[in-house]
Amino acid sequence: AQSVTQPDIHITVSEGASLELRCNYSYGATPYLFWYVQSPGQGLQLLLKYFSGDTLVQGIKGFEAEFKRSQSSFNLRKPSVHWSDAAEYFCAVGTGGGNKLTFGTGTQLKVEL
Amino acid sequence: SAVISQKPSRDICQRGTSLTIQCQVDSQVTMMFWYRQQPGQSLTLIATANQGSEATYESGFVIDKFPISRPNLTFSTLTVSNMSPEDSSIYLCSVEGGVQYIENEQFFGPGTRLTVL
Repeated sequence: AQSVTQPDIHITVSEGASLELRCNYSYGATPYLFWYVQSPGQGLQLLLKYFSGDTLVQGIKGFEAEFKRSQSSFNLRKPSVHWSDAAEYFCAVGTGGGNKLTFGTGTQLKVEL
Repeated sequence: SAVISQKPSRDICQRGTSLTIQCQVDSQVTMMFWYRQQPGQSLTLIATANQGSEATYESGFVIDKFPISRPNLTFSTLTVSNMSPEDSSIYLCSVEGGVQYIENEQFFGPGTRLTVL
């Protein structure tokens, strides 16, 4: 069965600093990979996705993620964090043709001013 | 993009009662799903809501506890039956496919926060 691991439960960064959120997945076939963000009191917003092709994908709000098959990873990055990026971030793998999502446990990001 | 709404946005219920949550999309979509997010935890897929037929439930979820309807391509309901405090969660619907959506991209409603006393 597929699974997603987000090893960092909480991360604190200073505004303007770079950010990397880790995500490792377990799935026997080529995965569909997603990053979602959930701000307090808000629903989930899709940041970016990887299905195939270029392993470095660009998303909204200045985020990018890199798919590394050899490491079964799909880490999320942002070169300069803004205070409004404080939220919870979920990595997910899609199976069953991509639409059955298995989520990681999430990483809570705190941004210090 | 299209708009996904859920009603109610939150509710406080007594144990033993049932609550029906509605999910409305303002355009036709191919797939609709229901997820549960328990306090401090991640999202878990409950079931896929199939238009015109019985929902497809994931392991650990049963129709008697979580009956689902999907009468058309823009609307679905999830009922949480015979509630207990362990059912206190955020329930989210998501959609995929259709004219305004890209295949294999799921978009989520704002969620329904349920508290069971």
